[in-house]
Amino acid sequence: DTGVSQNPRHKITKRGQNVTFRCDPISEHNRLYWYRQTLGQGPEFLTYFQNEAQLEKSRLLSDRFSAERPKGSFSTLEIQRTEQGDSAMYLCASSLGIGVFYGYTFGSGTRLTVV
Amino acid sequence: ELKVEQNPLFLSMQEGKNYTIYCNYSTTSDRLYWYRQDPGKSLESLFVLLSNGAVKQEGRLMASLDTKARLSTLHITAAVHDLSATYFCAVGNDNDMRFGAGTRLTVKP
Repeated sequence: DTGVSQNPRHKITKRGQNVTFRCDPISEHNRLYWYRQTLGQGPEFLTYFQNEAQLEKSRLLSDRFSAERPKGSFSTLEIQRTEQGDSAMYLCASSLGIGVFYGYTFGSGTRLTVV
Repeated sequence: ELKVEQNPLFLSMQEGKNYTIYCNYSTTSDRLYWYRQDPGKSLESLFVLLSNGAVKQEGRLMASLDTKARLSTLHITAAVHDLSATYFCAVGNDNDMRFGAGTRLTVKP
């Protein structure tokens, strides 16, 4: 296991289209997080899973956004009816979450451009 | 609501010089993190600080935490070009982490 994997690395889509991103966390990590980062800003928290349960969602996660983590393994983030303001880097992170906390491991991100 | 503020946001320094980046946060938190991000890349974990007075060092970088002042510092000693990157502090708990806006560091020869 070489770390957190995200696909695709880049996605260009037309406004109004739906897009889906995938994140494969480190296999023994039971917690998975989605963040969004726009140019020149720090990452903003979107949502968090412990195993398959989605435990927290940010107000940033409008009803056009949905995230799933079936079977507590990989996760998907879907954006419906994309808008130009959705253009950003979408980062996934995972953590062990039990006992001593080692911090988050981030994936390389998916860069979304909505044209 | 937890807020995290970093300063400076931009820092240009010459090789060999020392400087400190500051991170203030608004509410009590379990832990504080420092990350590095190179352009177009993801975030690399540098330090996790868990308690008041914690100090960690790795190479030319040293991070400290004062939970009473809600302040962390990242000190750069004798900067080299390879340290050019954006540095983020983040504060949080097991549920989520809130990031500062980042300090874009440029080290010039």
